Amino acid sequence: EPEVTQTPSHQVTQMGQEVILRCVPISNHLYFYWYRQILGQKVEFLVSFYNNEISEKSEIFDDQFSVERPDGSNFTLKIRSTKLEDSAMYFCACSRQQETQYFGPGTRLLVL
Amino acid sequence: RKEVEQDPGPFNVPEGATVAFNCTYSNSASQSFFWYRQDCRKEPKLLMSVYSSGNEDGRFTAQLNRASQYISLLIRDSKLSDSATYLCVVGGSGNTGKLIFGQGTTLQVKP
Repeated sequence: EPEVTQTPSHQVTQMGQEVILRCVPISNHLYFYWYRQILGQKVEFLVSFYNNEISEKSEIFDDQFSVERPDGSNFTLKIRSTKLEDSAMYFCACSRQQETQYFGPGTRLLVL
Repeated sequence: RKEVEQDPGPFNVPEGATVAFNCTYSNSASQSFFWYRQDCRKEPKLLMSVYSSGNEDGRFTAQLNRASQYISLLIRDSKLSDSATYLCVVGGSGNTGKLIFGQGTTLQVKP
């Protein structure tokens, strides 16, 4: 069964540093998403991406965040200058049409 | 009012019990509804989509009441392996695929 992969599984960084979280979606899927889950809290939508454009972004997804599909297979989330409150699990998801979304295993980000 | 609201539990039930989870959502324009399952420190995994006509998948039955903006999940003959957090998820009203998650209901099935 095809699956979404994410790297790294864990990332520890210093406040103010840039991080790039990587995702390889399922190959024939066209819609891509990032979500985050702060420990003990609910999963929160960050951004949706289709046809090389952001379709929708949440209030969390401010100017410090960006997404990119650099090579037709990877889908990345960049945080330019990390803050303590960015510590969370970041999930990538994808869907073939705008229906069932399949989630990757997540990247656990810890900002010190 | 929260966009998607669930009783966080935990629900502690013996094996073989029937357990029901409820969820309410605030946006009457929402068009898609799901139950996801999340194991500790893992990603959400789709359990089932929810339709107005109701749908059943083995021991799991989901119902949607659009008038009341209410979604339910019934688990019959619960197994130890059903222990997890069950997430009520609603699609955003825009055409972007955004999913809005409830905080989840924790189920612990005991032998």
